[in-house]
Amino acid sequence: GQQVMQIPQYQHVQEGEDFTTYCNSSTTLSNIQWYKQRPGGHPVFLIQLVKSGEVKKQKRLTFQFGEAKKNSSLHITATQTTDVGTYFCAENQAGTALIFGKGTTLSVSS
Amino acid sequence: DAGVIQSPRHEVTEMGQEVTLRCKPISGHDYLFWYRQTMMRGLELLIYFNNNVPIDDSGMPEDRFSAKMPNASFSTLKIQPSEPRDSAVYFCASSFFGGNTGELFFGEGSRLTVL
Repeated sequence: GQQVMQIPQYQHVQEGEDFTTYCNSSTTLSNIQWYKQRPGGHPVFLIQLVKSGEVKKQKRLTFQFGEAKKNSSLHITATQTTDVGTYFCAENQAGTALIFGKGTTLSVSS
Repeated sequence: DAGVIQSPRHEVTEMGQEVTLRCKPISGHDYLFWYRQTMMRGLELLIYFNNNVPIDDSGMPEDRFSAKMPNASFSTLKIQPSEPRDSAVYFCASSFFGGNTGELFFGEGSRLTVL
């Protein structure tokens, strides 16, 4: 079945360093969504990407959708302790519900 | 809006007991999803409803699991009998226009421990 692969599974950075997580699919996606889950919390929607090659920014976060719509990335510039959590990409093809990747857990030390 | 409301937040039960998890979606949302989260398997989709009708239950692990949505404002996920391997956090989420165009709004989850 459809599945998105996320790498890395874990990432530890020093505060101020950059962070990137990647999401790859074996099939072409209609769109991709990104969520953040704080420790002990629930997933919270960050953004949806729809267009091939799309790039969107939210303050220090940059989201990108690949030209072939088979991969996506989330880049955080100058991480802060508030960025700690697990970042999930979620895919769906037309007519199906969201399927989540395994997530990348980010830890940040000050 | 209060968001998606789940109960109970925590449940500890013994193997063989029946467990019922409850969810109230956001008013006006027409899709409701049940997900299960474990360290090993991540966030797994169990079942989802559109306008109270189950659309895809292929993620339900086995016959011990059942879900209902008797009306637009209430859904239940039942496990009978429960087993230790069912221990997980169960999330309910709702959306408008479904996962195709809309973000999912998650509840805070029900953490289930089966001893």
